[in-house]
Amino acid sequence: QKEVEQNSGPLSVPEGAIASLNCTYSDRGSQSFFWYRQYSGKSPELIMFIYSNGDKEDGRFTAQLNKASQYVSLLIRDSQPSDSATYLCAVNQAGTALIFGKGTTLSVSS
Amino acid sequence: EADIYQTPRYLVIGTGKKITLECSQTMGHDKMYWYQQDPGMELHLIHYSYGVNSTEKGDLSSESTVSRIRTEHFPLTLESARPSHTSQYLCASSWQKDEQYFGPGTRLTVT
Repeated sequence: QKEVEQNSGPLSVPEGAIASLNCTYSDRGSQSFFWYRQYSGKSPELIMFIYSNGDKEDGRFTAQLNKASQYVSLLIRDSQPSDSATYLCAVNQAGTALIFGKGTTLSVSS
Repeated sequence: EADIYQTPRYLVIGTGKKITLECSQTMGHDKMYWYQQDPGMELHLIHYSYGVNSTEKGDLSSESTVSRIRTEHFPLTLESARPSHTSQYLCASSWQKDEQYFGPGTRLTVT
């Protein structure tokens, strides 16, 4: 059974702080890794993807991948109240549909 | 920006009715997916397709069917709606790298 694990939270951070969201996966053959943001009542929105070990930065967001540890994380710098949402980690192995984690709820207080 | 559309956005229907939820995308993506999600809960994959005339069932057992006659269109049909089908239904599509883009969703209520 392929699994993607995330802490459900809520993760609470003050405005301006760094939010760190973590995800582990069980299948060593996984090749593609995605982070989605989902606001309450809305559909998931793709915010980051990463395929290689290391860091990938896009604005205030940094995705980090460590395939040896089967670990992927998302850092949000200078967190804003508008970042308050549920963040879904998704993992893919070639030829299969994405496997989504249950999501981590982030709350940014002003 | 993803161009994936779902209709209707909201639907309230009585038990036993047959319903079809529409999903279309204009990006030429080969892969399309249907998910079910209850409020505050995880996504459940119910059907997916990797191309025309190709459909597969996902992890969630569901009394629904799909078809993929055209690349851009992936409708979901419930032959006989039940209150347990009340949920949000999300359609998504992707290209080679599996970056899935989601439609706005259909919120279904079966009374």
